[in-house]
Amino acid sequence: DGGITQSPKYLFRKEGQNVTLSCEQNLNHDAMYWYRQDPGQGLRLIYYSQIVNDFQKGDIAEGYSVSREKKESFPLTVTSAQKNPTAFYLCASSMRGDQPQHFGDGTRLSIL
Amino acid sequence: SQQGEEDPQALSIQEGENATMNCSYKTSINNLQWYRQNSGRGLVHLILIRSNEREKHSGRLRVTLDTSKKSSSLLITASRAADTASYFCATDRGETSGSRLTFGEGTQLTVNP
Repeated sequence: DGGITQSPKYLFRKEGQNVTLSCEQNLNHDAMYWYRQDPGQGLRLIYYSQIVNDFQKGDIAEGYSVSREKKESFPLTVTSAQKNPTAFYLCASSMRGDQPQHFGDGTRLSIL
Repeated sequence: SQQGEEDPQALSIQEGENATMNCSYKTSINNLQWYRQNSGRGLVHLILIRSNEREKHSGRLRVTLDTSKKSSSLLITASRAADTASYFCATDRGETSGSRLTFGEGTQLTVNP
């Protein structure tokens, strides 16, 4: 079955530590996205990538970094510079053009 | 800043009733999309309506779009307990060749059996 896989489902970060969230898709989609969702709120865009080896900042990119070395993969690193990282992180992908986004089941990040 | 705002924030109805959720936005759009999110899960796409369309149907879902009022509504008819979820509208301003969406804060729908 085609889809998006996010791992791990739960992640804990210690002070001063960088952590990396994985996102893999086998839908052959060109575009991939990372969102942050805080309790009871909507999604805010962190980074997005429309093509391999290219990505753009979204609305809340500070304290985060990404790479897009392969079409299938778009990992997100939450750096120690992100002072309030506790949230639910969602990865999505889409075809180019006027198309809906397909979402993974998220990673819940907490601080130890 | 959030482009879309949903109304109401929460809605509780009985099974079999209809549920209507509204979304308002601020700038011109290329399309507007509705998504559903079950607790602790990812979002699932429900329906996409383009700026030149006024109404779309999909099963028990009906979406309207009024670009002059910058608003959209999602109607779920004959609701079921399984419809209990959060519903989000998202706008695409057509700024990229992909689909850069701006999400509202959602409506929490509870359907009581």
